Amino acid sequence: LAKTTQPISMDSYEGQEVNITCSHNNIATNDYITWYQQFPSQGPRFIIQGYKTKVTNEVASLFIPADRKSSTLSLPRVSLSDTAVYYCLVGGERRDSNYQLIWGAGTKLIIKP
Amino acid sequence: GAGVSQTPSNKVTEKGKYVELRCDPISGHTALYWYRQSLGQGPEFLIYFQGTGAADDSGLPNDRFFAVRPEGSVSTLKIQRTERGDSAMYLCASSSPLAGKYNEQFFGPGTRLTVL
Repeated sequence: LAKTTQPISMDSYEGQEVNITCSHNNIATNDYITWYQQFPSQGPRFIIQGYKTKVTNEVASLFIPADRKSSTLSLPRVSLSDTAVYYCLVGGERRDSNYQLIWGAGTKLIIKP
Repeated sequence: GAGVSQTPSNKVTEKGKYVELRCDPISGHTALYWYRQSLGQGPEFLIYFQGTGAADDSGLPNDRFFAVRPEGSVSTLKIQRTERGDSAMYLCASSSPLAGKYNEQFFGPGTRLTVL
């Protein structure tokens, strides 16, 4: 199974760029890398997804090296409202079985003023 | 447009009782997922529907848990003979037919189940 490893928690300050790295050494060829954000008492919210190299959208960038064994979520100029738990997930279609996205405990990001 | 809705938002029940949790996905979304989440943990997959059928129910913990989606839209998660260990946040998500199974999922606000 393509499990992921993330830091349990991170602190940063308003206006800084925050990078959260996720390890997924057993990633398979069909697997995508997806990041979600979750605030307390809310369901997770999709942030970004990628397969390789770099993906950027209006809220974040995702950097994936050539070997795809890790990925880095980059949040530019964070604000207090970015305080949340961030989940890295790896998953994709399997020819012989279903494969479900495995959610780890995520990274609790705390932004300080 | 309306997002995924879940009712009730909170449910308190007694050990041994039966509960039903409802999920109303985004209109047109054919894929629907149920998860449960304990405090401090990530969501734990329970079941995945594609249309009316359960494409994967491998995450259901035991036969006390059952889910249906009879018309391919609203889904109900049913828990029989509830136990205190069933207390958790139950999350529902849906995704577009244009998206793959592992692409963006839209989550509802969840139902907080407390079994006394």
